Formats: sequence, C-alpha cells, structure tokens
Amino acid sequence: AQSVSQHNHHVILSEAASLELGCNYSYGGTVNLFWYVQYPGQHLQLLLKYFSGDPLVKGIKGFEAEFIKSKFSFNLRKPSVQWSDTAEYFCAVNAGGQNFVFGPGTRLSVLP
Amino acid sequence: NAGVTQTPKFQVLKTGQSMTLQCAQDMNHNSMYWYRQDPGMGLRLIYYSASEGTTDKGEVPNGYNVSRLNKREFSLRLESAAPSQTSVYFCASSAQSSYNSPLHFGNGTRLTVT
Repeated sequence: AQSVSQHNHHVILSEAASLELGCNYSYGGTVNLFWYVQYPGQHLQLLLKYFSGDPLVKGIKGFEAEFIKSKFSFNLRKPSVQWSDTAEYFCAVNAGGQNFVFGPGTRLSVLP
Repeated sequence: NAGVTQTPKFQVLKTGQSMTLQCAQDMNHNSMYWYRQDPGMGLRLIYYSASEGTTDKGEVPNGYNVSRLNKREFSLRLESAAPSQTSVYFCASSAQSSYNSPLHFGNGTRLTVT
C-alpha cells in the first residue's frame, strides 16, 4: 500500500526565514503529487501539483516544490516565509483512480 | 461560486445516536469524497463516489454509510455514533475520476461523540 511521510511534525520559523518541508512517498510507479495548505479553522486548499514535465513546480503565494524521482521525494520550499504562512501543510500522492493518500501534515508556525 | 458546501459545521452526539452529514458541490464535478482528519494522521478516506450512482469504500469505512443522491450531493451517515468517530470530517470533489484532478474541499464538520 502507498504511504506518505512528512519529516517534521511542527516547524517554527521567524519571518523572512527560508522554508523546506520534506515529503517522501512509497510507490514505484507513476504518481501525481500535491501539496495542500490548511490555514487555522479553514479547509484544505491546493498549493501546487506535479503531474509530469519540469520537476520544479511553482504554486501560489511563492511556494515551489521539487520532484526527485530517485529519492521518492516532493519537498516544499519557500525562500522567505511570512506570518500569514502559519498553517498546516499536507503532502498527498495519487497513483491512480480515487486513491489520494495524504501525509500526516506539518504544522508551520511563523513568528512575527 | 460556493464550491463545496458542508453542513453542519459543528455537531455533538451521544454514543449510539445517528446523524447525516450533508455535502453539495456546484462545480459540476463527477467525483466526490468523504475524509476524516485526526491529529497526526492526516486525512483518511472513508468513502468515495467516482460518478453519480456509484459509491466505494475507502480506507476507514466501518461505521459509516454514504449516499450519492445526485451529481451535486453526497451524504455521510453515522448510524450509531461511537467516541472513536470524534473527528473533523471533510467532503471533497474532483472534476473527474482520474488521478490528475486535484481535490476541492469543503470547510469541514467538527463532530464530537460523548
């Protein structure tokens, strides 16, 4: 069965610091990869997605992610975080059909 | 454009009570899903409906039933609530039943079973 792991449970950063959140998945075939963000009290929103092509994908709000197939990884990055980025971030993988598998989430706290 | 609408937003039940969570989408999406979100476990799929008239079990279906009433609506029913079903429930939809259609989520229902 597929699984998704996220390296950090809770990350605390100061504003303007750089961010990298790790995501690894276990599936050997073709996958589609997603990062979702959940702001406090809100629903999950799509940040970015990778289907094929350029392994470096750019999403909303200055986020980007890099797909490294050999490492089964899809890490999320942002050069300079803002207080408004405080949220929970979920990596998700889909390898076919309805089977979206989500990671456990990483809570990001950005200190002003 | 409302997107995915869930009701109610909050609910408290006693063990053994039943209730139905409602979900509707106005994006003309074919596929709809019910997830539960628990701390440290991410989202787990309860049931999904690839298209109108079909439903299938996900990862954690026990204790739940679903109905795809029409293309817009997909309800989740707890017949006899248990404390283990205390969770936040999210409905989601996607344009088509293929793996490159991202999910669009509702605002969630926070359910507490005492």
